[in-house]
Amino acid sequence: AQSVTQLDSQVPVFEEAPVELRCNYSSSVSVYLFWYVQYPNQGLQLLLKYLSGSTLVKGINGFEAEFNKSQTSFHLRKPSVHISDTAEYFCAVRGSGGSYIPTFGRGTSLIVHP
Amino acid sequence: NAGVTQTPKFQVLKTGQSMTLQCAQDMNHEYMSWYRQDPGMGLRLIHYSVGAGITDQGEVPNGYNVSRSTTEDFPLRLLSAAPSQTSVYFCASSNANQPQHFGDGTRLSIL
Repeated sequence: AQSVTQLDSQVPVFEEAPVELRCNYSSSVSVYLFWYVQYPNQGLQLLLKYLSGSTLVKGINGFEAEFNKSQTSFHLRKPSVHISDTAEYFCAVRGSGGSYIPTFGRGTSLIVHP
Repeated sequence: NAGVTQTPKFQVLKTGQSMTLQCAQDMNHEYMSWYRQDPGMGLRLIHYSVGAGITDQGEVPNGYNVSRSTTEDFPLRLLSAAPSQTSVYFCASSNANQPQHFGDGTRLSIL
């Protein structure tokens, strides 16, 4: 079984500042990792994914994340945020084999102030 | 390009009523799942299916039933609605080694 911990429930930041949203996971097997974004009153959209290969993964809207196996982390970063990045962000993990249903973290609310 | 379609988008029920939340996908995905989203709790898995005719329980299955008679459809049934089932429900689908595609959600209030 896998579990995910998103360390911050809310992250306030000013526009054009950098941001990091933290995600740690636990698993006894190799994992696939995902970040999703949820805008108000909408479903979840995939931001980026790590399946294998390079540990630095680039996604949509200028976001990137780095898979760190030794620290079991998959933190999401953006060098300069916009007001439109205000949303809920979810980290998810699943085993690379077996069940294809991921486990989600509790989410981090990113609030970008002008 | 419909993707995952959930109906209805909103519903208000009285305690004890039953209803079915519909979910349909047109991407020929094998895997489908239902989640509920509550403030501060993230997404919790209710039931999932790995193919037509195969379903299994997730983290919070009590009070819900599912069936998967076709690849496209995965309805979620509330047998006797309770106020604790007030939530936003999301359906998702995927194939192996692919991320999930989500519907827009059903907002359910139970009075």
